[in-house]
Amino acid sequence: AQSVAQPEDQVNVAEGNPLTVKCTYSVSGNPYLFWYVQYPNRGLQFLLKYITGDNLVKGSYGFEAEFNKSQTSFHLKKPSALVSDSALYFCAVRDMITGGFKTIFGAGTRLFVKA
Amino acid sequence: DSGVTQTPKHLITATGQRVTLRCSPRSGDLSVYWYQQSLDQGLQFLIQYYNGEERAKGNILERFSAQQFPDLHSELNLSSLELGDSALYFCASSVGPGTDSYEQYFGPGTRLTVT
Repeated sequence: AQSVAQPEDQVNVAEGNPLTVKCTYSVSGNPYLFWYVQYPNRGLQFLLKYITGDNLVKGSYGFEAEFNKSQTSFHLKKPSALVSDSALYFCAVRDMITGGFKTIFGAGTRLFVKA
Repeated sequence: DSGVTQTPKHLITATGQRVTLRCSPRSGDLSVYWYQQSLDQGLQFLIQYYNGEERAKGNILERFSAQQFPDLHSELNLSSLELGDSALYFCASSVGPGTDSYEQYFGPGTRLTVT
């Protein structure tokens, strides 16, 4: 079965500094990878996805992610963090199950951006 | 605003009771997904419907059931409620049947508290 791991429960970064939120995956076949963000008392919002093609994927709010097949990673990055980026970030992978597919979410990484 | 609506926002009920959560997908989306989010279990996929038919099943208890109606809205029924069922329940929708690369759009969630 496919899985994703987010090794950091929390990431702290100062405003204006670059940020990285890590994700590693385990899949058989070609991975479909996603990043979502959850703000307090809100549902998850889609940020970006990797399906195929360019390893650097650009998404919403200035975020980007780099797909690295050899390291089985899909880290989320942003060149300059904002206080408003503080939220819970989820990495996800599509998994094949009996009858169809489902999306498996990582445990989430809480990002704190300090002014 | 994702375009996915969920009602009610909050629900407080007693153990042993039965509740129904409602979801309306984004206009044009045929797939509806249900998730449970709790502190100890993270974000767990429950079930998916596509155009009225069950498509994929995750970690859904037998006490829980769902359906998608001809107008594409969906309901999640939770019965014989236990304290451990207290959680945030999210509905998400996507264009395709799940066997594809489309991202999901999440509703704001229903917070269920079982006392």
